[in-house]
Formats: sequence, C-alpha cells, structure tokens
Amino acid sequence: QVQLVESGGDLVKPGGSLRLSCAASGFAFNDYYMSWVRQAPGKGLEWISSISLSSSYINYADSVKGRFTISRDNAQNSLYLQMNSLRAEDTAVYYCARGDQFLGYWGQGTLVTVSS
Amino acid sequence: DIQITQSPSSLSASVGDRVTITCRTNQSIRTYLNWYQQTPGKAPKLLIFGASSLQSGIPSRFSGSGSGTEFTLTISSLQPEDFATYYCQQSHNIPRTFGQGTKVEIK
Repeated sequence: QVQLVESGGDLVKPGGSLRLSCAASGFAFNDYYMSWVRQAPGKGLEWISSISLSSSYINYADSVKGRFTISRDNAQNSLYLQMNSLRAEDTAVYYCARGDQFLGYWGQGTLVTVSS
Repeated sequence: DIQITQSPSSLSASVGDRVTITCRTNQSIRTYLNWYQQTPGKAPKLLIFGASSLQSGIPSRFSGSGSGTEFTLTISSLQPEDFATYYCQQSHNIPRTFGQGTKVEIK
C-alpha cells in the first residue's frame, strides 16, 4: 500500500533552517510528481511546491520562493524540502503528497514551529 | 494567481441530508478542479479529481460537477463519517490554490 512518511519537523528560531524528508513506499516513486502542502494551525491548506519525475520541473508558491528548495532522490524513494530563513508565518504542519495535477495520497504531516 | 471562492464556509446538516458545496474561480480552469476531505488531526483525502472523477475507494454518494468557473461537490446522503472540512483545489495554473474550506457540522 502507498505510504508517505514525513520527518524533520521541529521548533526553530526565526531565521533558522530545517530540512524535511518524506519517505515513500508502496509505489513506483520515480513515476510520480511530488508536492509539499502546508497547513498553519487552525487554517486552510496552502500548496507550496511541486517537483517533476526527474526534477526537471520545479515550482514554488511566492510565499516560499527563494527560501525553500524542493528536491528528490529517486534511488532512495525520498522527497525533501530545505527551508531557510524561516519566519513565524512558516509555522505549520507540512504534508508531502503524491502527484501534482491532483494529490492522491498524503503523508501524516510533520509540525514545524518557528518561534524565539 | 487564480482566486477560488468556496461557499459556504460552514454548514449544519443531519445524517441523510443532501449537501452541496460550491467553488467559483476568477478565471476558467476547464475541469482542473479537485476536492479533498479532511477530518480533525488527519491528512486530507482526495475525493474527486478532474471536477467529476471519483477517486478509487470513495463512496458513490460523493459526486462532483462543473467546468469553467463554477464547480459543485454533492454528498447525496450525509453519513456520520462525512462530518469534516472539505476543500477544493485548482490545478490549471501554478500556484495550485485551494479554496478556504467548508466545515460540515452535525445539526
């Protein structure tokens, strides 16, 4: 069965960095676009980034462009999100999801808290 | 960016009721519209993709319709497990914007 397991969430100070990981299993990882979506506490969903099969096509929301970097390792069936220059408004649960046109499977999420 | 207006923001309904949620976009997205369900503390779950295609494993009481700028999610007979928050999402353009969500509560 399809499984996506995020890790790496933590409490970090403003201006700090964090790297999130998403371990995929149960499907041919290199056959799918992958995405990151976040949800601030008590708020709605916000798409933040997606990456194509061979990393040729990458897109970001304006809110994270220049600060976050999405990447993938198809040999390790893993998706990553490098987050730099973190701000209080980046506090959220971060989900990895399979797909881009539609998000067919989601991980359970990992909490990132940005606070001094 | 494509703006989505989802309505209502919340509704109260009873088991067995027919429920309709609407999303409107500020420009045509053809049928690039998806619907998700989220229960508290859980990840969202895909219900409908491409405006009207039912995701595998989703009960047939869920249906989606629409094209262009107006879309509808219908639950034909609300079940206890359907009390949740529902989001639409457009995938016509980058960024992939979501609607604000509709919380379906028990009357």
